[in-house]
Amino acid sequence: DIQLTQSPSSLSAFVGDRVTITCQASQGISEYLIWYQQKPGKAPQVLIYGATNLEAGVPSRFSGRGSGTHFTLTISSLQPEDFATYFCQQSDHIPFTFGPGTKVDIK
Amino acid sequence: QVQLQESGPGLVEPSQTLSLTCTVSGGSISSGDFYWSWIRQSPGMALESIAYIYYSGITYYNPSLTRRVTISIDSSKNQFSLNLTSVTAADTAVYYCARVRAFGSRHFDNWGQGTLVTVSS
Repeated sequence: DIQLTQSPSSLSAFVGDRVTITCQASQGISEYLIWYQQKPGKAPQVLIYGATNLEAGVPSRFSGRGSGTHFTLTISSLQPEDFATYFCQQSDHIPFTFGPGTKVDIK
Repeated sequence: QVQLQESGPGLVEPSQTLSLTCTVSGGSISSGDFYWSWIRQSPGMALESIAYIYYSGITYYNPSLTRRVTISIDSSKNQFSLNLTSVTAADTAVYYCARVRAFGSRHFDNWGQGTLVTVSS
């Protein structure tokens, strides 16, 4: 299975901060990388697919970069509704696997 | 707008079989554009994909669970199901059904709300 690691595992930030989360794959996955946001008690929701493509309806402050093994999710100006846990997921090889998550909370 | 809804018992005894059904509304489960899948999330928050099925009956299983898992589809009812045998406390999790785009990015683009299954006597 392809392993995904995320850093940091958690972070505290102020509203308005620029935040970057990193996802590293154990082998190359081209651009088959997805980012999800999950709030407590809810299912994950897609933010970014294909490493860089913004899902319809997702605010433009979210952006994704990367290919191969190294990927980033950036929130350009953190909003109160962005405090949540973020997961990356690879869809290059079955079984599709997820990173362990990054929890973003209020500083 | 497609919606997915999980159903099944919330409590399963150890060594028994966990059975869940996902009902799809607002779209056809026979669409060739999607796979249908089960994912679980343990109390420690890790997400794990379990199995996938195409409308034609093609299936894929997570190798770590393949000996215990069966996924099936019932197009007449617009439902797909999961059976997980010989459960232990380690199978306690929130189980989600989700739709997977079959082509392109192959991401889980639509999820059910999730159902908590506890394995306990």
